Amino acid sequence: EAGVTQFPSHSVIEKGQTVTLRCDPISGHDNLYWYRRVMGKEIKFLLHFVKESKQDESGMPNNRFLAERTGGTYSTLKVQPAELEDSGVYFCASSQVGFEAFFGQGTRLTVV
Amino acid sequence: AQSVTQPDIHITVSEGASLELRCNYSYGATPYLFWYVQSPGQGLQLLLKYFSGDTLVQGIKGFEAEFKRSQSSFNLRKPSVHWSDAAEYFCAVGAINFGNEKLTFGTGTRLTIIP
Repeated sequence: EAGVTQFPSHSVIEKGQTVTLRCDPISGHDNLYWYRRVMGKEIKFLLHFVKESKQDESGMPNNRFLAERTGGTYSTLKVQPAELEDSGVYFCASSQVGFEAFFGQGTRLTVV
Repeated sequence: AQSVTQPDIHITVSEGASLELRCNYSYGATPYLFWYVQSPGQGLQLLLKYFSGDTLVQGIKGFEAEFKRSQSSFNLRKPSVHWSDAAEYFCAVGAINFGNEKLTFGTGTRLTIIP
């Protein structure tokens, strides 16, 4: 069974540019989460999808971040325009039931 | 709001020695507790979880953790570490707020193994 897959693994962009991160969850998992770790700090919750609906987006930092989940399958997280403080590792996770989530490898985003 | 504290940023142990990583949590209700590990170049892997029942939980790779409600702790232990255990370890508490479920993580503990 394939795990949670994230693309790209690394991205380096200039301040002001746009970046789109993609997450392919485990097939059949209705729950999809995005988390972020800024260097040296804790991993923080960004948002939670149940199928294609946003269940909780209380952790999204500001309106420069837009998450979508097409047809309840893969999800994208777009940052537009990117700022220096957006640098970090973005993790995606999926689960069939609640907390027991499987995480992807993460996308390391560097904004210069 | 829930929170997790991992007081040790970095720990170094010798291969074959025992290990204990500390985790304290703050949560108003019965917590759902997790330990994850991130090896270099890998994603977060679930080591073990506590939802209810026996307070000593066994996980993968020979790890165990003990839930102590009186101390609000969920420390991770391994009797004898291997070089492959070098990684970063994260403790997390799962919370349900108005039907929304999410994990709150600690800042992580980086484990270095010396020969």
